[in-house]
Amino acid sequence: DTGVSQDPRHKITKRGQNVTFRCDPISEHNRLYWYRQTLGQGPEFLTYFQNEAQLEKSRLLSDRFSAERPKGSFSTLEIQRTEQGDSAMYLCASSLFGVYSNQPQHFGDGTRLSIL
Amino acid sequence: AQSVTQLDSHVSVSEGTPVLLRCNYSSSYSPSLFWYVQHPNKGLQLLLKYTSAATLVKGINGFEAEFKKSETSFHLTKPSAHMSDAAEYFCAHMNTGFQKLVFGTGTRLLVSP
Repeated sequence: DTGVSQDPRHKITKRGQNVTFRCDPISEHNRLYWYRQTLGQGPEFLTYFQNEAQLEKSRLLSDRFSAERPKGSFSTLEIQRTEQGDSAMYLCASSLFGVYSNQPQHFGDGTRLSIL
Repeated sequence: AQSVTQLDSHVSVSEGTPVLLRCNYSSSYSPSLFWYVQHPNKGLQLLLKYTSAATLVKGINGFEAEFKKSETSFHLTKPSAHMSDAAEYFCAHMNTGFQKLVFGTGTRLLVSP
């Protein structure tokens, strides 16, 4: 179990630029989640995948945000035309989901995005 | 809507004294509840989870939590604080479809020597 890995750990960019983050989940986990955490707050759900299918998106996920998990393994989260309000920690989590199981979500160390 | 409320934004204790971090949930059915810890610039680490088995749940690093349905509470405790326990603690509730966690606003635990 190598844990959930996120890259990069930090990203500084100018307003209006596009950014892309990557998440590698725990290998046997079929679910992958993205959360956003702003300073002094708990994480807020953005979206999740089961295998390669994106099953739910939060209202927080504007049309500037897109997430993919093309082969049901790693996932990318892209933000287009970044805005000041996008500055946050972006957390990825994964879990093993089955009809009769509810395994906890395991989190990566996050990508901290700073918009200049 | 399901939610969790963490009653204290900050808790200060001395090393070696007990820790109590409070969490209340709102749910009309038996919930799945979790406590996570977050150290600075790190992700969340699972401390323990409640999923309708025993009401007293033991977790890692000496933490435990008791599920009290009558009080809709799931408070986190530890008999003796250690300096390394200083961190942010989040209580979370799993929604009915098991798609996502709903987090409280967190409690910062400060441990003084």
